[in-house]
Amino acid sequence: KQEVTQIPAALSVPEGENLVLNCSFTDSAIYNLQWFRQDPGKGLTSLLLIQSSQREQTSGRLNASLDKSSGRSTLYIAASQPGDSATYLCAVRGVAIQGAQKLVFGQGTRLTINP
Amino acid sequence: DAMVIQNPRYQVTQFGKPVTLSCSQTLNHNVMYWYQQKSSQAPKLLFHYYDKDFNNEADTPDNFQSRRPNTSFCFLDIRSPGLGDAAMYLCATSRARDGLEKLFFGSGTQLSVL
Repeated sequence: KQEVTQIPAALSVPEGENLVLNCSFTDSAIYNLQWFRQDPGKGLTSLLLIQSSQREQTSGRLNASLDKSSGRSTLYIAASQPGDSATYLCAVRGVAIQGAQKLVFGQGTRLTINP
Repeated sequence: DAMVIQNPRYQVTQFGKPVTLSCSQTLNHNVMYWYQQKSSQAPKLLFHYYDKDFNNEADTPDNFQSRRPNTSFCFLDIRSPGLGDAAMYLCATSRARDGLEKLFFGSGTQLSVL
């Protein structure tokens, strides 16, 4: 059974710093991995999706990497801003299911950027 | 511009009183999902519809049911809510095509059980 772990559970950094969020998964047989952002009391917004054949994806100040063999992914946020404060969740999709994207989520890292 | 719309935003129900949460989408996606997310926990998939086909997760309680009358709408029915069912319920959609697409989530319905 796939398990996804995100450490730390919470992170607080000063504005302007570069930071890395970590995600690990137990079964390396994944189809893709996604990073989501969740603001308090809100739904999830997809940030980046990495296919199992890819090593990284970039969108603006965000860069996500994937090392499938070691079961790890990182989300790098450059030049952090107070507006980046949110909970960041990673989720993996296994290869067994065709079509529907049945994701297994981590519990998230609650990020606070201090002005 | 809202693409996945969940109503209501907040729902309060009484212990044991049936409740229905709704989700609609303007994306014409063929797959719709319901996730349950308890406070500070990971979202947990309850079930999904692939077109008209209902797919239940093995550990989803029988208390939870779903209906999808057409492509655009999907409902989550909780037949007899218990205190442990208080959570955020998230609807999501995707277009099934070899996993290339991202999931699109609604804003969620926060359910309270009194």
